[in-house]
Amino acid sequence: GQSLEQPSEVTAVEGAIVQINCTYQTSGFYGLSWYQQHDGGAPTFLSYNALDELEETGRFSSFLSRSDSYGYLLLQELQMKDSASYFCAVTGSSASKIIFGSGTRLSIRP
Amino acid sequence: DAEITQSPRHKITETGRQVTLACHQTWNHNNMFWYRQDLGHGLRLIHYSYGVQDTNKGEVSDGYSVSRSNTEDLPLTLESAASSQTSVYFCASSRSGNEQFFGPGTRLTVL
Repeated sequence: GQSLEQPSEVTAVEGAIVQINCTYQTSGFYGLSWYQQHDGGAPTFLSYNALDELEETGRFSSFLSRSDSYGYLLLQELQMKDSASYFCAVTGSSASKIIFGSGTRLSIRP
Repeated sequence: DAEITQSPRHKITETGRQVTLACHQTWNHNNMFWYRQDLGHGLRLIHYSYGVQDTNKGEVSDGYSVSRSNTEDLPLTLESAASSQTSVYFCASSRSGNEQFFGPGTRLTVL
């Protein structure tokens, strides 16, 4: 089977840095993705890691350690608009099928 | 611009009725997926398709069916709606496993 663990809630201050961790157990592994979802909206893709690496896209970075079955999403210079739910997702036994974690709700305080 | 649409956006139905949710994408993606999202459960995969005439069961497929007669559409049918199927349903498509594009969602209430 496959399972993903991520914190259910994280609170941070505007302008700060926050890290959202994700650990996974899968029978096969192609890569780890991150998605953002604002309340009432649809999930949108943020990043994908297939190798042990740090991927940077603007204020967001994602990291993967395949040996530790672990990854994280790093958000810098937090803005109020970053308040959303963040999902890690594993591409596991099939190269095109994704299994999502339960999501981390990020709340940002002024 | 390419897009993925879902209809209806909101639906109220009664227990036991058959319901079909539509999903249409113009990305020309081979892969299409249906998820349901409930509080505390994230996104759970219902059914998916890798191409025309191909359908596969996901982790929560009981009570649901799909058919893929063309590249653009993957309708989701609830054969006999149950209150436990009250949820928000998202359709998604992808060219590969790296990135899925999601539709706006359908909020379904079964009374």
